[in-house]
Formats: sequence, C-alpha cells, structure tokens
Amino acid sequence: QQPVQSPQAVILREGEDAVINCSSSKALYSVHWYRQKHGEAPVFLMILLKGGEQKGHEKISASFNEKKQQSSLYLTASQLSYSGTYFCGTESLEAAGNKLTFGGGTRVLVKP
Amino acid sequence: KAGVTQTPRYLIKTRGQQVTLSCSPISGHRSVSWYQQTPGQGLQFLFEYFSETQRNKGNFPGRFSGRQFSNSRSEMNVSTLELGDSALYLCASSLKVTANTGELFFGEGSRLTVL
Repeated sequence: QQPVQSPQAVILREGEDAVINCSSSKALYSVHWYRQKHGEAPVFLMILLKGGEQKGHEKISASFNEKKQQSSLYLTASQLSYSGTYFCGTESLEAAGNKLTFGGGTRVLVKP
Repeated sequence: KAGVTQTPRYLIKTRGQQVTLSCSPISGHRSVSWYQQTPGQGLQFLFEYFSETQRNKGNFPGRFSGRQFSNSRSEMNVSTLELGDSALYLCASSLKVTANTGELFFGEGSRLTVL
C-alpha cells in the first residue's frame, strides 16, 4: 500500500515554515525523503530508520514515529531552493534490497 | 563523478510496439532499480537488479522486464506497448547492496510516449 502524504500542496513565503506528513498502514523499517524539481531527477534528502537513526545531507529535519508509522518533514525558514515536489518512500520490515514504496508527493512552492 | 545516465531521454512509440531503455549506474554502484512515474500513480517500483539477478519486483505485468549486465548496466523492456505505459521511467543506482534500502541516485529518466 502506498503511503499517504499530506498536504498535497503548500505555498510558502520565503522564511516561513511548513510540515509535510507521510503515513503508512504497514509496519515500517525506514522512511526516505526525496525532492524532485520540475524536469529533474529526484534527489535524496534523508533516511529515517527504525530505532532512531537518521542519515541526511541537507539542513532539513524530519521525524519518524514508529508506533504510528508516520514521518514528518520539517521545512524551517524556507528558501526559494526548497521549491519542488517532496516524496516520502517507505520500506517495510520484511523488505530486503533497494525497494521503496513512494507516496503521491507534496508540491511545495516558496515565493519571495 | 558521473551520475546515473539513462538513454534515450525521449521516445515516441505506437501501441503494440516494444521499447528498450538503458541505464548506466554510477561507477561502483551494483544495485539498479527502475521506477515508473506518472501524474496519476506517482512513483511506482518496477524492479531491482543486483549482480545480474532480479532481487525485487513490483506489481507490473509480465510485459515489463529487465536485466542487468556484468558491468552493472541495466536495461528494461516493455513489450506490446499500451497507451497507459506513457510515463517517465526512472532508474536509480545504489552503493548499498546489503539489508535494506540505501540512498538512491536517480537518473533524469526516459520519457516514453505511446500513441
């Protein structure tokens, strides 16, 4: 089952904050976040693992509630470069190898 | 370091034809995954290859197939094309090959239009 992302879209002014949520009905091992700008490839942002470990490149924070199988991505003091579509990808406990089930995406537009 | 390279970038086919898409992973990456991206269904997992073997498979019909070569390059083939196969096909490579999913590096995709 595909994870559910909310909201579907959000418009921000530069400097404002936003939260993107990702919810799964399955028990998860990890949640991954990617951002895709129009016409470009999705780019890795962060992995959140069961047990609390996080791995990421950018100054974007996220959380993973293992009990609720929910993850949230926090866009703090948003910049114009944060615009794009954000996807969460989930990995179930029984999965092995590189396989993600992606949510429908959240479109983020940051205006000056 | 070169990224993931996909060819062709754009192609147009007619219903009933077949198509082969190619993906060259980042040097040293041995896992290659394929995803289909459409406006209606989003990003959907097709399959993953590692060491020339299909390790994972998504819920797509048998018309969708793939393979991986000894140099980790991968191809996917779609036979008997249908209008609904029009999509952006993304390839992703990963350095992580054990246990669970690592960071995926995506190519820019091959945009297939079926007429």
